[in-house]
This record gives sequence, structure tokens and C-alpha cells, in this order.
Amino acid sequence: QQPVQSPQAVILREGEDAVINCSSSKALYSVHWYRQKHGEAPVFLMILLKGGEQKGHDKISASFNEKKQQSSLYLTASQLSYSGTYFCGTEIDSGYALNFGKGTSLLVTP
Amino acid sequence: GAGVSQTPSNKVTEKGKYVELRCDPISGHTALYWYRQSLGQGPEFLIYFQGTGAADDSGLPNDRFFAVRPEGSVSTLKIQRTERGDSAVYLCASSLLAGGKETQYFGPGTRLLVL
Repeated sequence: QQPVQSPQAVILREGEDAVINCSSSKALYSVHWYRQKHGEAPVFLMILLKGGEQKGHDKISASFNEKKQQSSLYLTASQLSYSGTYFCGTEIDSGYALNFGKGTSLLVTP
Repeated sequence: GAGVSQTPSNKVTEKGKYVELRCDPISGHTALYWYRQSLGQGPEFLIYFQGTGAADDSGLPNDRFFAVRPEGSVSTLKIQRTERGDSAVYLCASSLLAGGKETQYFGPGTRLLVL
């Protein structure tokens, strides 16, 4: 039930864009995106619900394709502060607990 | 306002000992979750409380693990006869209500090392 994230790691120059994908083999109820810096708690970014919506704030946005059972996180004009590990957490059939992927490590360099 | 807090922040114990990990959720949050995170992995669900009762404990790995939330606020995760494989960061999260629309806010975690 663990979602699959890709890529596993990415290195960007400041100002470049990145896309992180999250795929599930099962139908999804919602997708939650978090960013975690080393030694810190995961920080909530956004939730996407069944219905194929898109969301965004600032330069971070995400989409949820219900048919393909996948979500993508879009980081535009990346900043140094975007560095960290990004996790998607998927909720299957409104079961409330989240199943997290292994994470995508993002490093933004000057 | 105050976020989710967890104590202790670090715990070193010997194989076979008993440990208790505490979670203080955000005030007013009715749902509380425990996750375990191993190095290089995403958080792995252990147990979830709605109020005082464990609504889903399907993630607890075996009967050495137990959690309580007697007054519907603070929760304690208890691990008996610890094993080296229990070493991980134990994360607690809370949400206002249970459900897919609700944001889960994570605490800083307790880093458990079993020697």
C-alpha cells in the first residue's frame, strides 16, 4: 500500500523548477504532501482530495489525478529553503491513517 | 500557538528494557496518530486515537507495543522488552478531527536508540 515516489533524489540550482511524483496501486481518497528537513518534524504543505483538484500557494502547487491514482508536486523558481525531503502520504478509502512513500530528497544549491 | 510536543526528545535504552514515549497534541485536537520513522524511510503508521479510544491499531508491529490516551489529550506509547530493531524516530501527529480533509500536524519526534 506504500505509494511510490519519483525521483528518489534531485539537485537543483536556485531558480530552477522541479516535479515530484507520487503513485499508488490502489484508489486514493486523499494525498497529503509534507517537507521534512534533517532532524526535524515533517511540515505540512497541502492536501488534495479525490476529485482531481489542483492546489497551490506561493510557488509550490500540486495536482491529483484520480484516474491515474497519482499526484504531482510542482516547485517553481526553487529557493534554498526548499531543500529537504518531500513525502507524500496517501489515504485509502477514508481510513484516516496515512501511508507514506520513501521520500524524495531535494537539494537546492546557490 | 503551541504545536505538538513530544518527550523525551532522545532516549537511549538497553535491549530488554521498557520505555514510555509521551505525546502532547495541539489543544483541542481530537485525533492523535503515532508513526515510526526509520532512517531513509517515510513515517510508518502505528496507531490512531479518536478521543480516548484506539480507532485503528493495525500498524502496531507486535504485542510489545501498546499506546493509551486516557483523557483524550496526552498519549503514551509503551514498548516492552525493547529490541535493537525498535530503534527509530517515533513521531506523533494530531488533527482537529479525523478524516481525509484534516491536516495532521507532526511533533518533533522521540529518537529511540536500543543498544
